[in-house]
Amino acid sequence: RKEVEQDPGPFNVPEGATVAFNCTYSNSASQSFFWYRQDCRKEPKLLMSVYSSGNEDGRFTAQLNRASQYISLLIRDSKLSDSATYLCVVNRGGIDMRFGAGTRLTVKP
Amino acid sequence: EAQVTQNPRYLITVTGKKLTVTCSQNMNHEYMSWYRQDPGLGLRQIYYSMNVEVTDKGDVPEGYKVSRKEKRNFPLILESPSPNQTSLYFCASSESSSYNEQFFGPGTRLTVL
Repeated sequence: RKEVEQDPGPFNVPEGATVAFNCTYSNSASQSFFWYRQDCRKEPKLLMSVYSSGNEDGRFTAQLNRASQYISLLIRDSKLSDSATYLCVVNRGGIDMRFGAGTRLTVKP
Repeated sequence: EAQVTQNPRYLITVTGKKLTVTCSQNMNHEYMSWYRQDPGLGLRQIYYSMNVEVTDKGDVPEGYKVSRKEKRNFPLILESPSPNQTSLYFCASSESSSYNEQFFGPGTRLTVL
């Protein structure tokens, strides 16, 4: 079993839709959590950190449930430019980062 | 401009021919890592460094070497490349905390024939 698991998708949604991605992790000692975005053949870039209290950045909302070892990302009012692969990332401490395989999103007109 | 650079960006080589992929960052970051990305597997950490002269193995270190003689540089060395090392490689750097963002280089696409 992978340490960080994501639904690979692909998710194909129309513009304006709301879409949710889920991620589970197996190491209960994990310290910090992130969502990164990766465009095709490009480097990953930080989308947002994820906090236990939940956090929002414009159309994006991230939630962390430590008890269930579950992380989510909600995208509201999807734009064409949101099309990308979204990576769930868990830090076990220091520089020990574990990546999910990614969830691919395509937003269509 | 704050950035992580990698060279070369693309490389096709043959089995057994030693190669080095360079990585440099201009943000004075303590932490640096190398990852490989393969379809369906996500990014896997090869080696990491928490400071000059301090390196350690990640998940998939076999067949790779690294060095950290200067804070800004973290080269990845393949002494005898094999076809199963064909992959997309990323270098990354961050400040010394598990809560900080990692900044990635643009990637190096390596093909070993």
